[in-house]
Amino acid sequence: DAGVIQSPRHEVTEMGQEVTLRCKPISGHNSLFWYRQTMMRGLELLIYFNNNVPIDDSGMPEDRFSAKMPNASFSTLKIQPSEPRDSAVYFCASRPSGISSFYNEQFFGPGTRLTVL
Amino acid sequence: RKEVEQDPGPFNVPEGATVAFNCTYSNSASQSFFWYRQDCRKEPKLLMSVYSSGNEDGRFTAQLNRASQYISLLIRDSKLSDSATYLCVVITNNNDMRFGAGTRLTVKP
Repeated sequence: DAGVIQSPRHEVTEMGQEVTLRCKPISGHNSLFWYRQTMMRGLELLIYFNNNVPIDDSGMPEDRFSAKMPNASFSTLKIQPSEPRDSAVYFCASRPSGISSFYNEQFFGPGTRLTVL
Repeated sequence: RKEVEQDPGPFNVPEGATVAFNCTYSNSASQSFFWYRQDCRKEPKLLMSVYSSGNEDGRFTAQLNRASQYISLLIRDSKLSDSATYLCVVITNNNDMRFGAGTRLTVKP
């Protein structure tokens, strides 16, 4: 298995532009998570999906952020318009969920390093 | 109070030293516990699960104290390759996975 796949790996954009980050979870994993990591704030959970349905989006910083999961193998995180303070590494992760899911490992993608100038 | 709290460090230790990290959690009904490791500019990866009775994996020992709501990670005979950030992870009774901010370890020759 290729693991969690994220694209792009690096993105440099100018303030005000739209940014779309993409994620392909591990096949068979039905929980998908989007995180943001900065030096100041550490790893923050933005939103997670279970069976393609958003369960908890309380971590989404503001209306400029939106996430979708149109099917089990694809999710996007969009920032529109982007601001310099959005510069961070954005990780996607997936995890199987089920009866014994409390003990299931979560697998992270390699991350997208976003710089907003 | 944060759900999962860790000392951010950094911990700077010489090779061969023993080092311990603690992590506290606020939800007393939390179900399971893990330590993840994150290398510089890489994604977090599972290091080990933490079982109620404590568990060991080579030079690494994890302990859980439910009464005091903390978990610990002990690294013996530390190696240069142990330099990383160690993230404490707690899964709550709602099956929410909560990460601590991480403790940075640097092992020096």
